[in-house]
Amino acid sequence: AQSVTQLGSHVSVSEGALVLLRCNYSSSVPPYLFWYVQYPNQGLQLLLKYTTGATLVKGINGFEAEFKKSETSFHLTKPSAHMSDAAEYFCAVSASNYKLTFGKGTLLTVNP
Amino acid sequence: EAGVTQSPTHLIKTRGQQATLRCSPISGHTSVYWYQQALGLGLQFLLWYDEGEERNRGNFPPRFSGRQFPNYSSELNVNALELEDSALYLCASSLSGTGASEQYFGPGTRLTVT
Repeated sequence: AQSVTQLGSHVSVSEGALVLLRCNYSSSVPPYLFWYVQYPNQGLQLLLKYTTGATLVKGINGFEAEFKKSETSFHLTKPSAHMSDAAEYFCAVSASNYKLTFGKGTLLTVNP
Repeated sequence: EAGVTQSPTHLIKTRGQQATLRCSPISGHTSVYWYQQALGLGLQFLLWYDEGEERNRGNFPPRFSGRQFPNYSSELNVNALELEDSALYLCASSLSGTGASEQYFGPGTRLTVT
């Protein structure tokens, strides 16, 4: 079985500041890890994914995440926040049973 | 290329009625997944269909059911609606039913049960 914990249900940053959204996972098998973003009243959009290989993964809109097996973490970062980044972000894990198990989500607010 | 589409956008039903939600996957995708996003409960996996067969099911009662058609589109049926079924229902599709395949989501159907 797998699970995801997102630390911080709400993160607030200033425009131009570093964005750091935390995700820890639990999985009995090597996991596949994903970050999705959800804008109000919309579906989920894939930001990036980790399957195998390079542990630093680059995604869309300047986001990246690093897979750290020893820490069971997959934190999402962006060097400089933009107003358009305000949304809810979900970390998800998938294993051999194919379904995505999501964290509770982190609402990102960007202040001008 | 068209993304995942879902219909209707909004659906209002009365407790005890049945609801039918529809999903069309991205062309070439054979796997369809259904998720429920209810207030306070987060995103929960409902069902997975691949090549017309139900492959996996989440922890939901049998009144949640569905099917996948030969053209890979899918339908989710919810019978005997309860107030707590009110939620955003998201459909996703992927190239193949493996854990590594990214799932692409539709905009969702907002179901309101009164």
